[in-house]
Amino acid sequence: DAGVIQSPRHEVTEMGQEVTLRCKPISGHDYLFWYRQTMMRGLELLIYFNNNVPIDDSGMPEDRFSAKMPNASFSTLKIQPSEPRDSAVYFCASSFRGAGTYEQYFGPGTRLTVT
Amino acid sequence: AQKVTQAQTEISVVEKEDVTLDCVYETRDTTYYLFWYKQPPSGELVFLIRRNSFDEQNEISGRYSWNFQKSTSSFNFTITASQVVDSAVYFCALSEAGFGNEKLTFGTGTRLTIIP
Repeated sequence: DAGVIQSPRHEVTEMGQEVTLRCKPISGHDYLFWYRQTMMRGLELLIYFNNNVPIDDSGMPEDRFSAKMPNASFSTLKIQPSEPRDSAVYFCASSFRGAGTYEQYFGPGTRLTVT
Repeated sequence: AQKVTQAQTEISVVEKEDVTLDCVYETRDTTYYLFWYKQPPSGELVFLIRRNSFDEQNEISGRYSWNFQKSTSSFNFTITASQVVDSAVYFCALSEAGFGNEKLTFGTGTRLTIIP
């Protein structure tokens, strides 16, 4: 079975540009999470969805960040305009909380560099 | 609020030695879930184990074992006969039960280096 798929794997952009990160969760999973990893702040949750509906977006840094999940197979995280402090690795994860399983499976991450 | 503490920032051991990674957690919920993830140098996050708060049985999987003790709020991870491939950053994480509490709260990680 395919795991969580993220694209692109690497993104280098200039400050002020729009960045869109993409995620395809594991088929059948009903939760999708976006995390960010930095040296300073470690792994932190940005937002998560249940059945395509945003549940908690309290981790989204500011209005420059937005996330959507138009269907069960696809989610995007958009940063507009990007800033150098957004440089980080962005992980998408999915899980299925039925039948007592709660672990989240992570994609390979997108390494974003904003210059 | 939930919190996970991994006090060991970095550990180095010689290959074949045993090593234990510590994890202490805080939560107000009586039902919660604990996890360990491995992040090798390639960068992906690999799920290793989940433990439910109502199941304090220790678990062994090959060279890996986990010791869950609610009395001390600890969920420690031991690698027996360590190998170079075990070199990675290991994260302990906590999730509470109930709708709206599904996020993972991670510790800061322990960087384990196995010296050949």
